Amino acid sequence: KQEVTQIPAALSVPEGENLVLNCSFTDSAIYNLQWFRQDPGKGLTSLLLIQSSQREQTSGRLNASLDKSSGRSTLYIAASQPGDSATYLCAVTSGGSSNTGKLIFGQGTTLQVKP
Amino acid sequence: NAGVTQTPKFQVLKTGQSMTLQCAQDMNHEYMSWYRQDPGMGLRLIHYSVGAGITDQGEVPNGYNVSRSTTEDFPLRLLSAAPSQTSVYFCASIGRRFGQSNTGELFFGEGSRLTVL
Repeated sequence: KQEVTQIPAALSVPEGENLVLNCSFTDSAIYNLQWFRQDPGKGLTSLLLIQSSQREQTSGRLNASLDKSSGRSTLYIAASQPGDSATYLCAVTSGGSSNTGKLIFGQGTTLQVKP
Repeated sequence: NAGVTQTPKFQVLKTGQSMTLQCAQDMNHEYMSWYRQDPGMGLRLIHYSVGAGITDQGEVPNGYNVSRSTTEDFPLRLLSAAPSQTSVYFCASIGRRFGQSNTGELFFGEGSRLTVL
C-alpha cells in the first residue's frame, strides 16, 4: 500500500531564507507527483506536477525534484516571503491508477515565514 | 470559468440525518473525485468518477454515495450522518478534457465543512 510522508510537520524560517520541504513515498511505481499549497480554511492549489518520467519542474521561486528510485521528492522555495506561509502537501498517483485523480496525500508541512 | 464550486460551505447535521454535498465544475473535465480532510489523517479519497455514469470507490467510501449523471456535477450523499463524518470535504476535478491528453493537474473546490452532532 502506497504511503506518503512529509517531514517536518512544521517549519518556521526568517524571511529571505531558502528552504527545502521533503516528501517520501513507499512505492516507486508512481504515475506522477504533485505539490499543493493550502491556505487556512481554503482549498488546495496545485503548484507543480512532475510526471514519472521527469526529474524536476520549476515555477518562479519554486523547484520540485523527483527521485523515483529512492522514493523522494523535494520542494525548494527560494528567497522565502511571508506570503509563502501556508501548508504544503505532496501527493502521488500510483502507477496502476493512470490519471483518474486517485491521489495519495502526505499530511503536509506547515510553513511560517517570519518578516 | 468558476472552476470547481462546492455548496454548502458549512453545514451542521444531527446524527442520522441525510444530506447532499454539491460539486460542479465548468472546465469540461472528465475525472472528478471527493476527498475528506481530517486532522492527523490528511486527505483521503472517498469516491471518484472517470466520466458520466461511471463511479468507483476510494479509500474511505462507507457511509457515502455518489452518482455522475452529467459531466459537470458530482454530488456526494451522506446516507445517515454519523459524528465520525465530521470533516472538511473537498471536491476535485482533473485537468483532462475530452479528447485531449491528461495533464494530471487537480483543481480543488474551496471545501465544505460538515459537523455532525
